[in-house]
Amino acid sequence: DSGVTQTPKHLITATGQRVTLRCSPRSGDLSVYWYQQSLDQGLQFLIQYYNGEERAKGNILERFSAQQFPDLHSELNLSSLELGDSALYFCASSVEGAANTGELFFGEGSRLTVL
Amino acid sequence: AQSVAQPEDQVNVAEGNPLTVKCTYSVSGNPYLFWYVQYPNRGLQFLLKYITGDNLVKGSYGFEAEFNKSQTSFHLKKPSALVSDSALYFCAVRGSTGGGNKLTFGTGTQLKVEL
Repeated sequence: DSGVTQTPKHLITATGQRVTLRCSPRSGDLSVYWYQQSLDQGLQFLIQYYNGEERAKGNILERFSAQQFPDLHSELNLSSLELGDSALYFCASSVEGAANTGELFFGEGSRLTVL
Repeated sequence: AQSVAQPEDQVNVAEGNPLTVKCTYSVSGNPYLFWYVQYPNRGLQFLLKYITGDNLVKGSYGFEAEFNKSQTSFHLKKPSALVSDSALYFCAVRGSTGGGNKLTFGTGTQLKVEL
């Protein structure tokens, strides 16, 4: 158990809809990362938050947005969903600063199916 | 920009034989290198990392990896494979300068260990 919690584990929805994925990082970790894993694209970095602020942005679509709340949990919002958005969405967390040793700790993922 | 190449989609090996999963990388500055393993319908689990120091790094479950700066490689190895090692393996890189703390992953190598 990595200590990172993601909900829901599975989600089935229709095209055009909006969903919210939730992540609670490991206790004490200030950074949260979102990754998308699909068969054709592999693991793609979407976005990173550090202590409530956006730190880095990757291949995140404009239809997608994220935020990190004061209690450090994070939400990834996916809107106007398309069939191609079907994927496994991972959240990861890490410590920062002098304690950072580089590795990320991943949750079990949220599997999104868009029909 | 940082990148990782895993040239083999799949590696097959007999139980008890040594295994190697290949990884090469490109990054600015000194690399931070990682291996993760993913079992079906699970999140990524950290195996080992190279930050600095000894080029041979030992990790979980008997795995080790060798950092070769001149060849920009970080191959994952195990002296004697087990059927339970069958999983998807990802190599990842992070630069020591710029790019934030996000990890860039390779496309993954499916390891299949057979009796």
